Amino acid sequence: KQEVTQIPAALSVPEGENLVLNCSFTDSAIYNLQWFRQDPGKGLTSLLLIQSSQREQTSGRLNASLDKSSGRSTLYIAASQPGDSATYLCAVGQIGNTPLVFGKGTRLSVIA
Amino acid sequence: DVKVTQSSRYLVKRTGEKVFLECVQDMDHENMFWYRQDPGLGLRLIYFSYDVKMKEKGDIPEGYSVSREKKERFSLILESASTNQTSMYLCASSPSNYGYTFGSGTRLTVV
Repeated sequence: KQEVTQIPAALSVPEGENLVLNCSFTDSAIYNLQWFRQDPGKGLTSLLLIQSSQREQTSGRLNASLDKSSGRSTLYIAASQPGDSATYLCAVGQIGNTPLVFGKGTRLSVIA
Repeated sequence: DVKVTQSSRYLVKRTGEKVFLECVQDMDHENMFWYRQDPGLGLRLIYFSYDVKMKEKGDIPEGYSVSREKKERFSLILESASTNQTSMYLCASSPSNYGYTFGSGTRLTVV
C-alpha cells in the first residue's frame, strides 16, 4: 500500500530565505504527483502537477522535482514571503486511476 | 477557470439529523471525491465516484452514503449525524489520471 510522508511537519523560516519541502513515497509505480497549498480553514489549491515522465515543473517562485526511483519529490520555494505561510501537501497518483494518496503536509511559517 | 463548488462553507446540525453536503463541478470531470480532514489525521477518503451512478467506498465510509445522479453533482449524505462527524469536508474532482481540483470546503459542526 502506498504511503506518503512529509517531513518536517512544521517549518519556520525568515522572509527572503529559499526553502525546500520534502515528500517521500513508498511505491515508485506512480502516475503523477501533485503539490497543494492549504490556507487555514480553506480548501486545497493545486500548485504543481508532475507527470511520471517528467523530472520537474515550475510556476513562478515554485519548482517541484520528482525522482521516481528514489521515491522522492521536493518543492522549492525561492525568496519566501509571509504570504507563503500555509500548509503544503503532496499527493501521489498511482497507475490505474485510483484515488490520490496524500501526505499529512508541512505547515510553513515565513516570518517577516 | 475550473470550479468545484460546495454549497455551504459552515453548517451546524443537531445529532441525529440527516445532513446533505452538495458538490458541483463545471469541468465535465469523470471522477469526484469526498474527503474529511481532521487535525493530526490528514485527509481521509470517504467515498469516490468514477462515473454517474457509480460509487466506491474509501477508507472511512461508515456513517456516510453518496449520490451521483448527474455527472456534475456528487452529494455526501450523513444518514444520522453524530458529534464525531464534526469535521472539515472537502470535495474534489478530476479527469481520469490527472490532477485534482478541490472545493473550498464545508466546516460541519454536529451538536
